[in-house]
Amino acid sequence: GIQVEQSPPDLILQEGANSTLRCNFSDSVNNLQWFHQNPWGQLINLFYIPSGTKQNGRLSATTVATERYSLLYISSSQTTDSGVYFCAVDYGGATNKLIFGTGTLLAVQP
Amino acid sequence: NAGVMQNPRHLVRRRGQEARLRCSPMKGHSHVYWYRQLPEEGLKFMVYLQKENIIDESGMPKERFSAEFPKEGPSILRIQQVVRGDSAAYFCASSPVAGGLTDTQYFGPGTRLTVL
Repeated sequence: GIQVEQSPPDLILQEGANSTLRCNFSDSVNNLQWFHQNPWGQLINLFYIPSGTKQNGRLSATTVATERYSLLYISSSQTTDSGVYFCAVDYGGATNKLIFGTGTLLAVQP
Repeated sequence: NAGVMQNPRHLVRRRGQEARLRCSPMKGHSHVYWYRQLPEEGLKFMVYLQKENIIDESGMPKERFSAEFPKEGPSILRIQQVVRGDSAAYFCASSPVAGGLTDTQYFGPGTRLTVL
């Protein structure tokens, strides 16, 4: 099956710093989503981005489908950005089920 | 427009009891997915349902687990005779009818099941 790998596995930042999270996938995908799981366990949609670039405030994401990777950029990080960031892919077929990566644990320190 | 709703948010069961988890999709969404997140792990797909039909249950354990999405009412994930290894967060997601195309899945807050 498709493999989804994220890097780095964990990251510690000082408030105000920028970061880039990476998601590599081993096969062509129809859909790619980025999620933030906050320290209370809630899963928050960040981006639906099968290709191209999108921005939402301090966050932006780029997916290069032909090279099978996606990047999530966090600028001017805040303590509320802490949590686990997951990418998830749907590689097609009849069911559209998402395959999740292993996640990047981000801790933003004041 | 309310988001995906799940209840209960926390559920405690003793070994051998039954657990019933409910999921109400977003208004207008007829596709429901259940995922399980074991402690310290990512989410894993369990089952995909449309109204009154199970489309893909390839991620669901063969025994003790069942799911339904009736014509009326929420989707139910049922776990019979729970064991400690069932302790996890169970997330439901929904997506709109998309004419066969993929679309964004919206996730509920999850149900955290603890088996004593």
